[in-house]
Amino acid sequence: AQSVTQLDSHVSVSEGTPVLLRCNYSSSYSPSLFWYVQHPNKGLQLLLKYTSAATLVKGINGFEAEFKKSETSFHLTKPSAHMSDAAEYFCVVSFIIQGAQKLVFGQGTRLTINP
Amino acid sequence: KAGVTQTPRYLIKTRGQQVTLSCSPISGHRSVSWYQQTPGQGLQFLFEYFSETQRNKGNFPGRFSGRQFSNSRSEMNVSTLELGDSALYLCASSWFPDTNYEQYFGPGTRLTVT
Repeated sequence: AQSVTQLDSHVSVSEGTPVLLRCNYSSSYSPSLFWYVQHPNKGLQLLLKYTSAATLVKGINGFEAEFKKSETSFHLTKPSAHMSDAAEYFCVVSFIIQGAQKLVFGQGTRLTINP
Repeated sequence: KAGVTQTPRYLIKTRGQQVTLSCSPISGHRSVSWYQQTPGQGLQFLFEYFSETQRNKGNFPGRFSGRQFSNSRSEMNVSTLELGDSALYLCASSWFPDTNYEQYFGPGTRLTVT
């Protein structure tokens, strides 16, 4: 079965400090993994994706994530937080079942940036 | 290129009524998926359509249904609304239903059932 666990429901950092949002996955197959961000009252925006190419994936707005198969992890990082990064972040595993694509979402991590 | 559009953006309905939500995918995208987002359950998969066929459905009662038209636009319908159906309903489109293709999300329809 496919599942995603985001290890922190809320992360708070100061502006200019590093961000680490943790995600562990469980998948019967070689997974495709994504990170999405959701700002208040908005839809989800894709930050980055892993689809079995390079294990270190760079995304938009300075975010990157590293796929570690041995640890079944796909943590999201950013070297320096900005106030505009405050949002909800979702780790997602994508797989095909009965010919249809299905996404399984983590419960989300709310990122707060302190001035 | 225009993004995924959803109408209406906000909706207030009464228990027992039915509602229809609409989604227009990005031009050229043929796969449309629907998700329900609530504070308690998070984001849950409802169903996916490709080439006017429902290819997969999540664990929701039969009151939730949908369809896709030949131009890839999709609608979802919820009949006999319950208070617990209050949620943000998100539509997502992709070029093809494959794990290598990311899904692009619309802004959602906020449904409130009173």
